[in-house]
Amino acid sequence: DGGITQSPKYLFRKEGQNVTLSCEQNLNHDAMYWYRQDPGQGLRLIYYSQIVNDFQKGDIAEGYSVSREKKESFPLTVTSAQKNPTAFYLCASSMSSTNEKLFFGSGTQLSVL
Amino acid sequence: AQKVTQAQTEISVVEKEDVTLDCVYETRDTTYYLFWYKQPPSGELVFLIRRNSFDEQNEISGRYSWNFQKSTSSFNFTITASQVVDSAVYFCALSDITSGTYKYIFGTGTRLKVLA
Repeated sequence: DGGITQSPKYLFRKEGQNVTLSCEQNLNHDAMYWYRQDPGQGLRLIYYSQIVNDFQKGDIAEGYSVSREKKESFPLTVTSAQKNPTAFYLCASSMSSTNEKLFFGSGTQLSVL
Repeated sequence: AQKVTQAQTEISVVEKEDVTLDCVYETRDTTYYLFWYKQPPSGELVFLIRRNSFDEQNEISGRYSWNFQKSTSSFNFTITASQVVDSAVYFCALSDITSGTYKYIFGTGTRLKVLA
């Protein structure tokens, strides 16, 4: 079945540590996105990529980094510079970036030890 | 600036009741898209509907219906004869094309609890 796979489902970060969240899609979608969801808040865009080897900062990119070396993969690294990383992280994709519906993964819950 | 407001934080209804989730948006664009997504307890958001700004016809899909009114900048979602499986967080979203790229602006969501 086609879809988006995020791993791990739960992740714990120690202070000063970088951690990487995985996102893989087999939908052949061009565009991929990372969102952060905090309790009682909407989804906030961290980074997005419209094409391989290209990505743009979203509204809350500070303390995060991404890469898009393959069409299928869009990993997110939460760096030690992100002082409040505890949140639910959602990866999404769309056929293109032109107002298409988003397909979401099942999310990664990141917590700080 | 673009904005989506879902004023209802949480709604509780008894099974078989009808319920309407409100969504009010702000945009300067003349062309835009509106979306509704459902987030069940599993966490994955599921697409429900997309509507463009030129199509103000209401839409019905089974027990779901959507009322789009440009005059009041609203895109409300009604569930008829609610069921326990409808319990989830529902998000309204607006596509932003002002920057030349397409970003989605989400509301804060409405948590719907349907009690048996």
